[in-house]
Amino acid sequence: AQSVTQLGSHVSVSEGALVLLRCNYSSSVPPYLFWYVQYPNQGLQLLLKYTSAATLVKGINGFEAEFKKSETSFHLTKPSAHMSDAAEYFCAVSDSENAGGTSYGKLTFGQGTILTVHP
Amino acid sequence: DAGVIQSPRHEVTEMGQEVTLRCKPISGHDYLFWYRQTMMRGLELLIYFNNNVPIDDSGMPEDRFSAKMPNASFSTLKIQPSEPRDSAVYFCASSLRTGVPYEQYFGPGTRLTVT
Repeated sequence: AQSVTQLGSHVSVSEGALVLLRCNYSSSVPPYLFWYVQYPNQGLQLLLKYTSAATLVKGINGFEAEFKKSETSFHLTKPSAHMSDAAEYFCAVSDSENAGGTSYGKLTFGQGTILTVHP
Repeated sequence: DAGVIQSPRHEVTEMGQEVTLRCKPISGHDYLFWYRQTMMRGLELLIYFNNNVPIDDSGMPEDRFSAKMPNASFSTLKIQPSEPRDSAVYFCASSLRTGVPYEQYFGPGTRLTVT
């Protein structure tokens, strides 16, 4: 079974500081990995995804994440935080299509990390 | 495209009443997902459909919950009878198998309050 662990339910940074949100996954087959962002009173929006191409993935709004198989991690970073980055961030995992299972399209989400950005 | 549409956006009802949440997926998408989000349990997948057929309903909490997808452009999630512990935000999402793998597009959610 797949699972995702997000380390830290709350992260607080100053505007202009580095953002680092941690995600570790567990999967018995090569995974697809995702980061979603949820702004207050809105649905989730895809930030970026890893689908077995480049291990360093760039997303929207200056975010990027690196897939590290040896560490089973997919941490999200942004060099310089902006006030508008304040939101909740979710890491998610799914089986890759060649896993041969029937769970195509099903995502398992982490518990989420709330990012606060201080002026 | 208008994106995934959910209605109502807010629903307040009394315990014991029937509640029906509605979802219109993005046109052409062949997967539809229903999620529930609470502070205590986070984001939970309740059920999902492929080409209008339920594939996995293992996340449906109990028999009071039911979901249907009568056609490719409409789905409902029904709770009967509702209980205060059903209070949550319910999201609908859709995706396209032949598109970007697993990119699910979420609706704005329905905030359900059961008193």
